[in-house]
Amino acid sequence: LAKTTQPISMDSYEGQEVNITCSHNNIATNDYITWYQQFPSQGPRFIIQGYKTKVTNEVASLFIPADRKSSTLSLPRVSLSDTAVYYCLVGSNTGGFKTIFGAGTRLFVKA
Amino acid sequence: GAVVSQHPSWVICKSGTSVKIECRSLDFQATTMFWYRQFPKQSLMLMATSNEGSKATYEQGVEKDKFLINHASLTLSTLTVTSAHPEDSSFYICSARDMAGEMNTEAFFGQGTRLTVV
Repeated sequence: LAKTTQPISMDSYEGQEVNITCSHNNIATNDYITWYQQFPSQGPRFIIQGYKTKVTNEVASLFIPADRKSSTLSLPRVSLSDTAVYYCLVGSNTGGFKTIFGAGTRLFVKA
Repeated sequence: GAVVSQHPSWVICKSGTSVKIECRSLDFQATTMFWYRQFPKQSLMLMATSNEGSKATYEQGVEKDKFLINHASLTLSTLTVTSAHPEDSSFYICSARDMAGEMNTEAFFGQGTRLTVV
């Protein structure tokens, strides 16, 4: 399973765009990149998933360069309610489908 | 997306007693479920993989006799913390994948169970 490295914490202000980058140098060919959001005392919630290039949904965008050794989660115009921990995970349907969490990035959005 | 439900959301028990936590996939079948525990301000730690109809696979350092896992049906896995002690107090979370769904690479998580042992 590929290990991921993220910044431990980030601060932002309401209305700003936030970009959180994750390094996964030993990502395997079959691996997808998935980002989850977790609020205190809640289970993680799926944000977005991608394999290569760019993926966009109603809440975020995911940018993946050609070598796939990193990825960037982009949150447009964050609000106070986006204060949470964001986890970058790398994995595939092989290897027992395990989802191993790294340390995550604690995002604090200020007014 | 698919829904995974845990019960109870929180539980307080006395030291030495056992506590059972249920994890259900509400609208899909899950041959495999995962159990995690999370201490305050820490990441989720995978404890074990629950396999329907067979024994669970435990991660290194997790006591299988302490944390009993049963996955008797395609929609239900249970985690029993036996002879609980205060150090077992934690946030326990389960997850499952809908292998028949379009997003079968996505894991869905329960809301978590806060266990406090007094």
